[in-house]
Amino acid sequence: DAGVTQSPTHLIKTRGQQVTLRCSPISGHKSVSWYQQVLGQGPQFIFQYYEKEERGRGNFPDRFSARQFPNYSSELNVNALLLGDSALYLCASSLSAGQGYNEQFFGPGTRLTVL
Amino acid sequence: GNSVTQMEGPVTLSEEAFLTINCTYTATGYPSLFWYVQYPGEGLQLLLKATKADDKGSNKGFEATYRKETTSFHLEKGSVQVSDSAVYFCALSDPTSGTYKYIFGTGTRLKVLA
Repeated sequence: DAGVTQSPTHLIKTRGQQVTLRCSPISGHKSVSWYQQVLGQGPQFIFQYYEKEERGRGNFPDRFSARQFPNYSSELNVNALLLGDSALYLCASSLSAGQGYNEQFFGPGTRLTVL
Repeated sequence: GNSVTQMEGPVTLSEEAFLTINCTYTATGYPSLFWYVQYPGEGLQLLLKATKADDKGSNKGFEATYRKETTSFHLEKGSVQVSDSAVYFCALSDPTSGTYKYIFGTGTRLKVLA
């Protein structure tokens, strides 16, 4: 079975631009979460979606938005890019939301560089 | 709020040495605890987990025990290999708000020398 897939792998943008990152969860998983990992740090939670509804939002500005589609894939959008948005963006899927013992399976990430 | 604290790296060991990476947590509820490993240029892979106090998670020779009394989840391996060189993240699942988002530590880089 395929794991979590993300596209694109790498992306270079300039300040002020907008970006869309995509994620496909493991088949059968209904929950998708997004994390930002700045170089040298641990991942920081951005969003969680379950059954197409937002279930949680981290401490990120409104420039960050996301959605989940009927096939459970997800997009993360970031508007008005800042240099500080440069990071590895990780998508994780899990069977459901709200059970702490359900582990999250991570994709390889999208490396975003903002110039 | 909830948080995870890991020992700072890098940790440099010779092959076959004993490994301990310390992790302590702060949580208001009863979180599940996880160790993830990240190899260069890759995403995170689950290494092991424990869902309640005194549980021991184990995988590929790595072990960690959920110690509620000391709020710790230290990672150990009896004999490390060069292939274990990676960054290790301790994480907890946050039971607030019904999302069970993960809260990660800052990561500990391990370098194993042949």
